[in-house]
Amino acid sequence: DAGVIQSPRHEVTEMGQEVTLRCKPISGHDYLFWYRQTMMRGLELLIYFNNNVPIDDSGMPEDRFSAKMPNASFSTLKIQPSEPRDSAVYFCASSLNSPTNEKLFFGSGTQLSVL
Amino acid sequence: KQEVTQIPAALSVPEGENLVLNCSFTDSAIYNLQWFRQDPGKGLTSLLLIQSSQREQTSGRLNASLDKSSGRSTLYIAASQPGDSATYLCAVGGGGNQFYFGTGTSLTVIP
Repeated sequence: DAGVIQSPRHEVTEMGQEVTLRCKPISGHDYLFWYRQTMMRGLELLIYFNNNVPIDDSGMPEDRFSAKMPNASFSTLKIQPSEPRDSAVYFCASSLNSPTNEKLFFGSGTQLSVL
Repeated sequence: KQEVTQIPAALSVPEGENLVLNCSFTDSAIYNLQWFRQDPGKGLTSLLLIQSSQREQTSGRLNASLDKSSGRSTLYIAASQPGDSATYLCAVGGGGNQFYFGTGTSLTVIP
């Protein structure tokens, strides 16, 4: 398996623009997670899905952030409108059949810069 | 909320040295603890997962221990190599159905 695949690797955009990050989890994994990593706050869970259904979105910072998982092999994280404070590395991760009882597999991340 | 601390934030050792990385957490009601490695510009790679009922896990030169009662875990790396240079993060799985991450220890192994 190719692992968790994220795109794009880098995204530079201007404040106010819409940003869409994409993720393909490992085939057969039931759980998908979106994390954000910054120097100040470390790794933070934004939202996670189980079998394509959002389970916990309490980490989503504002209504400007939204996430979808239309099928088992694809998820998006959208920021609209983007702000400079959204600059961070966004990771997608997946696990087989538990949110906390198994290894997490991470993608390589999307480095987002909002100017 | 679970708080996870890793000390030191950075560590530099000569090649061949054995070393220990520390992780502490505030709530002992955990399901498991996971150690990750992160290389610059890359995602996290899971190294070891210790279930709450276990006291340690080993993989090659790595050994992770867990002491729930004291809220501590250690990652022992034997005979360190330059290729071990990376940031090591621990993550505690527990209430809230999520992993809580420490901020990591940046390890440099000097040839």
